[in-house]
Amino acid sequence: KNQVEQSPQSLIILEGKNCTLQCNYTVSPFSNLRWYKQDTGRGPVSLTIMTFSENTKSNGRYTATLDADTKQSSLHITASQLSDSASYICVVSGGSNYQLIWGAGTKLIIKP
Amino acid sequence: EAQVTQNPRYLITVTGKKLTVTCSQNMNHEYMSWYRQDPGLGLRQIYYSMNVEVTDKGDVPEGYKVSRKEKRNFPLILESPSPNQTSLYFCASSPTLPPEQYFGPGTRLTVT
Repeated sequence: KNQVEQSPQSLIILEGKNCTLQCNYTVSPFSNLRWYKQDTGRGPVSLTIMTFSENTKSNGRYTATLDADTKQSSLHITASQLSDSASYICVVSGGSNYQLIWGAGTKLIIKP
Repeated sequence: EAQVTQNPRYLITVTGKKLTVTCSQNMNHEYMSWYRQDPGLGLRQIYYSMNVEVTDKGDVPEGYKVSRKEKRNFPLILESPSPNQTSLYFCASSPTLPPEQYFGPGTRLTVT
């Protein structure tokens, strides 16, 4: 069964610290993987997309990695800011119909 | 400004009273989709549309209807809402499939 699992479910860190969020998937065949940021009460906004051949991609303080062999991705946030408080969702495109399989997200809280 | 708009943003209704949530995009996107988001679960696709007059079921279509008479609009219809349809609903659009999706602000629906 095509699944996307994210960990941890929630995370609290102090402002200025770094953190890493994990995404494991069982989707096959794999097309691409996307990380979204969702502020409370708002729609998700795309942070980055990674295809099979890409190992690392950065978007400002966000760096995503992909290991297609182990079917794992991570999102690393550097020097966190209060505005980083949000849910971060991993979405994998693939399967027989190139459907989107959504993870449940990691809720990140940045404390001053 | 390129955007996806939804109305209403908040709605409280009673069981069985038909309602429509509107979705409109001004980016000339062909692909549009409706999702629901419930606590602890990833976004689940309700219906999607590849183009005008072309719609198809997503993962959780029961109890919902959609129509795509114009490219820009993709309304979600609940003919007889029930309490288990209480959820946060998102409309999304994209130019291609698999999509780089742009999400609306969400509609929080409560059915009592």
